Amino acid sequence: EPEVTQTPSHQVTQMGQEVILRCVPISNHLYFYWYRQILGQKVEFLVSFYNNEISEKSEIFDDQFSVERPDGSNFTLKIRSTKLEDSAMYFCASSSTRSGGDTQYFGPGTRLTVL
Amino acid sequence: KQEVTQIPAALSVPEGENLVLNCSFTDSAIYNLQWFRQDPGKGLTSLLLIQSSQREQTSGRLNASLDKSSGRSTLYIAASQPGDSATYLCAVGKVIFGPGTSLSVIP
Repeated sequence: EPEVTQTPSHQVTQMGQEVILRCVPISNHLYFYWYRQILGQKVEFLVSFYNNEISEKSEIFDDQFSVERPDGSNFTLKIRSTKLEDSAMYFCASSSTRSGGDTQYFGPGTRLTVL
Repeated sequence: KQEVTQIPAALSVPEGENLVLNCSFTDSAIYNLQWFRQDPGKGLTSLLLIQSSQREQTSGRLNASLDKSSGRSTLYIAASQPGDSATYLCAVGKVIFGPGTSLSVIP
């Protein structure tokens, strides 16, 4: 069964550094998403991406964050100048249609630890 | 602003028992509602998706209902098993998640 994959599974970085989290969505999906979950808190929507552009973003997704689909398979989340409070699990998801109409399939997540 | 809540926050039941998890949302104008399962330290697995025009969905021992007018959904798990132990999350519309119900099924 097709699945969303994410790398790395765990990323440790120093405060102020830039990190790139990588995701490979399901191959025939068109909509891509990033979420984060701070330990013990709710899963929070960050951004959705369609047709090579951001279709929606939350208040969390400020200028520190950017997303890119550099090729036909990868979908990346870049976090510039990381802060301690960026420590969280970051989940990528994909769906064949927009979130209103179809199931989103989630990856296993990347645990980001900012020291 | 859409708010999603889940009751109870935690639930512990003996194996074999039927149980109901509750999800409430404040804005009834939703596209759909999804129930997810999250195992500790893992990603989210979609269990059931109910479109706004539907009243319920079933998959195996799971049955989810949706009442948009009252802003409620329930996830019914029949004949619970220890392998059902996980956190169950509901999410509405543009994927706003509830805080989850942590379920423990005791052998």
